[in-house]
Amino acid sequence: DAKTTQPTSMDCAEGRAANLPCNHSTISGNEYVYWYRQIHSQGPQYIIHGLKNNETNEMASLIITEDRKSSTLILPHATLRDTAVYYCIVRAAGGYQKVTFGTGTKLQVIP
Amino acid sequence: GAVVSQHPSRVICKSGTSVKIECRSLDFQATTMFWYRQFPKQSLMLMATSNEGSKATYEQGVEKDKFLINHASLTLSTLTVTSAHPEDSSFYICSATQDRGYGYTFGSGTRLTVV
Repeated sequence: DAKTTQPTSMDCAEGRAANLPCNHSTISGNEYVYWYRQIHSQGPQYIIHGLKNNETNEMASLIITEDRKSSTLILPHATLRDTAVYYCIVRAAGGYQKVTFGTGTKLQVIP
Repeated sequence: GAVVSQHPSRVICKSGTSVKIECRSLDFQATTMFWYRQFPKQSLMLMATSNEGSKATYEQGVEKDKFLINHASLTLSTLTVTSAHPEDSSFYICSATQDRGYGYTFGSGTRLTVV
């Protein structure tokens, strides 16, 4: 898997949008960008993924730059329950590719 | 959606004993599952890839004789920590995918404490 870099931690006020950046400058053309989050003492939870177009689902939006070297996960209205570690991962489609995790971003939503 | 069940959620065992952790895909078949280990305040570390009907593939530095993986069916993989020691205390997590090349679903994790 290509490497990703994320800020170690971020704070966000409750009710505001949380924007979590991720750099993946060595991403290959067939690699998708995935986002997961891990709430304390639980398994990671899938959030969203994309290839090159921006994506939105009920949890979040994913903005991928045109050169695909970076992306931003947007939680539009952060709540206290969104406090978690957020992981950005890139991996190729097809086959059963193993997923390796970087250090992620610890998001603290503040009341 | 795809659901992965992991059992037990917590286990305490004595040093020198073995512990088995189960990972089940509840509503889909999983040819491949993955096992991770996570120490406090650290990221998930991939231990091994579990392949149905064949030997697991271990990551560098992971002792295959200590962490036995069995994937005897398309819905069940087990991780057995043999002769556990306090340094094996950790959070163990499995994952599986429903579709080739798409997102992985993770189990809820097993907190192992060796005393």
